[in-house]
Amino acid sequence: DQQVKQNSPSLSVQEGRISILNCDYTNSMFDYFLWYKKYPAEGPTFLISISSIKDKNEDGRFTVFLNKSAKHLSLHIVPSQPGDSAVYFCAASVYSGGGADGLTFGKGTHLIIQP
Amino acid sequence: GAVVSQHPSWVICKSGTSVKIECRSLDFQATTMFWYRQFPKQSLMLMATSNEGSKATYEQGVEKDKFLINHASLTLSTLTVTSAHPEDSSFYICSASGQGGPYNEQFFGPGTRLTVL
Repeated sequence: DQQVKQNSPSLSVQEGRISILNCDYTNSMFDYFLWYKKYPAEGPTFLISISSIKDKNEDGRFTVFLNKSAKHLSLHIVPSQPGDSAVYFCAASVYSGGGADGLTFGKGTHLIIQP
Repeated sequence: GAVVSQHPSWVICKSGTSVKIECRSLDFQATTMFWYRQFPKQSLMLMATSNEGSKATYEQGVEKDKFLINHASLTLSTLTVTSAHPEDSSFYICSASGQGGPYNEQFFGPGTRLTVL
């Protein structure tokens, strides 16, 4: 049972335009969400996160939106650059009361930025 | 950001042998380390959580006797795949988290590609 779903395996966007990556989750206990960027044969690199008490978090070209009622979040990248081409993973966690918690990942979306 | 290394980056072994993968936090003390596994075109799946000095907590479906985890210091965790078989071939990634609030950021290692012949 996939608790975090990224339904688009790939997305192609023209350079300079906005990239929108989507993520849905089923576990209502998730209260912290993260986006990671990953290149082949490398570990994920943290991009941006959002707590369930917020509905938006912005960091430079990256903005994450959270819609708790729809159990949906999205990552907006604007403007898209060639170096943004990578696989993007959505991840979620449940606060267990102390320390860090393991993450539940989606399957990833391969973003391709075309010149 | 903090740096996490893994060694080896890739390993090929014969079926039935054991393989040890090291995960090190290079510039911070990792109170918690996580081990994930990724099969091709799949998501990263959490295998186990280890806190320094205590036994690892394994996710459902992960055999603790097959995947031995040791977190003996604040900078090193090891994953040993015992009696490896071809179905254990995968990309194994560790992450490390330091002390802080409840949502400690996890820093991921570069991963280890295991191929069992």
